[in-house]
Amino acid sequence: QQQVKQSPQSLIVQKGGISIINCAYENTAFDYFPWYQQFPGKGPALLIAIRPDVSEKKEGRFTISFNKSAKQFSLHIMDSQPGDSATYFCAARDDKIIFGKGTRLHILP
Amino acid sequence: KAGVTQTPRYLIKTRGQQVTLSCSPISGHRSVSWYQQTPGQGLQFLFEYFSETQRNKGNFPGRFSGRQFSNSRSEMNVSTLELGDSALYLCASSLIPGEAYNEQFFGPGTRLTVL
Repeated sequence: QQQVKQSPQSLIVQKGGISIINCAYENTAFDYFPWYQQFPGKGPALLIAIRPDVSEKKEGRFTISFNKSAKQFSLHIMDSQPGDSATYFCAARDDKIIFGKGTRLHILP
Repeated sequence: KAGVTQTPRYLIKTRGQQVTLSCSPISGHRSVSWYQQTPGQGLQFLFEYFSETQRNKGNFPGRFSGRQFSNSRSEMNVSTLELGDSALYLCASSLIPGEAYNEQFFGPGTRLTVL
């Protein structure tokens, strides 16, 4: 049973465009929702995170939108750059961190 | 500050063998978690250790085990290797477990190939 569902699996965006990755969850006990970025040959690195009592969090070009009633959250990357090309994972935590299956993002130059 | 280090980075084993992977957390971090990453299943939680005690465990068979030492370094062991154990094994450390915004820092992983 997949507790955190992530879509799309892959995404191609033009440079300067907006990249949007969506996640949905079922467990209302989750209390922390991080997003991780992973480059080939590297471990995941925390990008941005949000708590369920906040509807939006912005850090630079990265924004998390959180809809508690719908049990959905999304990552928006504004002004996407080729250097943003990576795999992105959403995650949720109760007593451990559960990851979505990842989105492979490719930004066209 | 040095990051999370994992050794070895690459490992090739044959079915039936056992393997031990090592993780050194960031200095001062006392919690270490292990994950298995595969293309099909993504990142799956194996277990978490804090103060030398297993605090949490994922849904993996008993062939997967781990331990943590007094200096917070951790090892995981996989016995009787199967082809399906081929994966990237990631270690992550954090200051203390379970706290909001307690960031986990990942190491580069150990790539295990089982032939």
